[in-house]
Amino acid sequence: DSGVTQTPKHLITATGQRVTLRCSPRSGDLSVYWYQQSLDQGLQFLIQYYNGEERAKGNILERFSAQQFPDLHSELNLSSLELGDSALYFCASSVGVSGGAKETQYFGPGTRLLVL
Amino acid sequence: KNEVEQSPQNLTAQEGEFITINCSYSVGISALHWLQQHPGGGIVSLFMLSSGKKKHGRLIATINIQEKHSSLHITASHPRDSAVYICAVGPNSGGSNYKLTFGKGTLLTVNP
Repeated sequence: DSGVTQTPKHLITATGQRVTLRCSPRSGDLSVYWYQQSLDQGLQFLIQYYNGEERAKGNILERFSAQQFPDLHSELNLSSLELGDSALYFCASSVGVSGGAKETQYFGPGTRLLVL
Repeated sequence: KNEVEQSPQNLTAQEGEFITINCSYSVGISALHWLQQHPGGGIVSLFMLSSGKKKHGRLIATINIQEKHSSLHITASHPRDSAVYICAVGPNSGGSNYKLTFGKGTLLTVNP
């Protein structure tokens, strides 16, 4: 158990809908990262928040948005869903800000999204 | 060309065999990570290294910065090692330091 929690575990929805994925980082971790894992693309970095502020953006679509709240939990909002958004969405956390540079990230169990 | 290339894509071994998974990257990095993804989907960080070699139990990770290459070795493999092993790099390029770039993974199956 990494200490990172994600809800829900599974989500089935229809095209055009909006969903919210939730992540709670490990106790003491200030950074939260969101990743998308699809069969054809593998793992891709979406966005990072550090202590409530956006710190880095990756391949995140304009239909997607995220935020980190004062209690450090984070939400990833996906809107106008398309079939191609079906994927596993992982949240990870780390203590500091440099998640790619010399810092271990701890991954949550993921949310499996299926868009029909 | 992907920034991170792994080989092989798939690997089948018999229990007890020595296993090597390779990772090559094309950018300057600050650190390289090896991750393990279990069949259920969960991801665990195995190693983070920026030089030399690290060992944890039956797992050994090495990196050659000059050649931009890393290897993950598993000694005395066991069926419970069956998983996808993913290499990821943290670039050493200013503002993008926070972003991990991932290889497509190596699916390892260890048969009893």
